[in-house]
Amino acid sequence: NAGVMQNPRHLVRRRGQEARLRCSPMKGHSHVYWYRQLPEEGLKFMVYLQKENIIDESGMPKERFSAEFPKEGPSILRIQQVVRGDSAAYFCASSRSYSYQETQYFGPGTRLLVL
Amino acid sequence: GIQVEQSPPDLILQEGANSTLRCNFSDSVNNLQWFHQNPWGQLINLFYIPSGTKQNGRLSATTVATERYSLLYISSSQTTDSGVYFCAVAPAGGAQKLVFGQGTRLTINP
Repeated sequence: NAGVMQNPRHLVRRRGQEARLRCSPMKGHSHVYWYRQLPEEGLKFMVYLQKENIIDESGMPKERFSAEFPKEGPSILRIQQVVRGDSAAYFCASSRSYSYQETQYFGPGTRLLVL
Repeated sequence: GIQVEQSPPDLILQEGANSTLRCNFSDSVNNLQWFHQNPWGQLINLFYIPSGTKQNGRLSATTVATERYSLLYISSSQTTDSGVYFCAVAPAGGAQKLVFGQGTRLTINP
């Protein structure tokens, strides 16, 4: 029973390039959340998605960041024209439903380094 | 929005010691989870505990929802317990996005 999977685990980009981070939720989970952790800080919510729908993107920067969770395939967090301040660990979590009793399970994260 | 404060920010102990980590939150919550982030950066679920008490081996947790705090107890610490412990909550009546505290960095020396 595989957990939440994220790839790549490490990603290096130069300023101005695009970064694509992938997240496959746990089997049977249809709700995905993305969080960002800056160095020496706690995690901060970015976006919450269900299949083909963005439910809450209140934590997403207004520019350069986008997320999707298509009907087939993993959820994608896309960062265009990366800058050094985007360097962080990006975690994906999944839950079975929207119920408030649901635990969120986290993936291993993608460490993005922008040179 | 809801505020989450963890204390102490840092804790250094000898192997075998016991410790108590605290999480205060400013509003009612539907969800409260404790996590351990190990030195490799992985987040490990410890407890889902919006109220009540749970135990898992050397770890236990108690949440007193009416007083808006949760405690994580670690007994007979081992060096592998080192890392950062995060408390995260989802406010009642709101979306299930978790709000994380700043964490407690625990160092267990041999």
